[in-house]
Amino acid sequence: GQQLNQSPQSMFIQEGEDVSMNCTSSSIFNTWLWYKQDPGEGPVLLIALYKAGELTSNGRLTAQFGITRKDSFLNISASIPSDVGIYFCAGQDGNKLVFGAGTILRVKS
Amino acid sequence: EAGVAQSPRYKIIEKRQSVAFWCNPISGHATLYWYQQILGQGPKLLIQFQNNGVVDDSQLPKDRFSAERLKGVDSTLKIQPAKLEDSAVYLCASSLLPLSLSEAFFGQGTRLTVV
Repeated sequence: GQQLNQSPQSMFIQEGEDVSMNCTSSSIFNTWLWYKQDPGEGPVLLIALYKAGELTSNGRLTAQFGITRKDSFLNISASIPSDVGIYFCAGQDGNKLVFGAGTILRVKS
Repeated sequence: EAGVAQSPRYKIIEKRQSVAFWCNPISGHATLYWYQQILGQGPKLLIQFQNNGVVDDSQLPKDRFSAERLKGVDSTLKIQPAKLEDSAVYLCASSLLPLSLSEAFFGQGTRLTVV
């Protein structure tokens, strides 16, 4: 089946630092999504990307849809303590979402 | 607007027992999904409903898992009998239209522990 490779697995950064994480796939997706999951909660959509090469921002978050349609990255600028959580990439294939394994982000204040 | 409601929040059962989870989607949302999230992994789709019909259940272990959405609103997911490897968070999500057209919203999940 389709699999997404998400890296890094975890990050422990200083408050104020920028963060970068990425996702690659052996399959092409027409839509890439980035979610954040807080402990005990369901994933919440952060950014959706619909076109190859698209660069989209949502506040301090910026995400890009790779030209090959097989990868995407998410950047968080000037991290704050509430950025702590697990970030998931997901590729959309028709009506199905395929999720990566997640990047655990911890922030030192 | 109320979100996706799930119950119970937590459940501990012994292997070979049965268990059921309940989900009430956002009002008016025609599409409902059940995902399984094993610790350390991303959610994996188990089944997708469009109104009261099944759209995709290709990854549902049908020998032990079943789901229904009889009136096209709330849904139940059942496991019978449970195995140790079924320990996971079971997430319900809903969207106004099929996923390719709109965003899916997730509930808080039910954390199942099988001992």
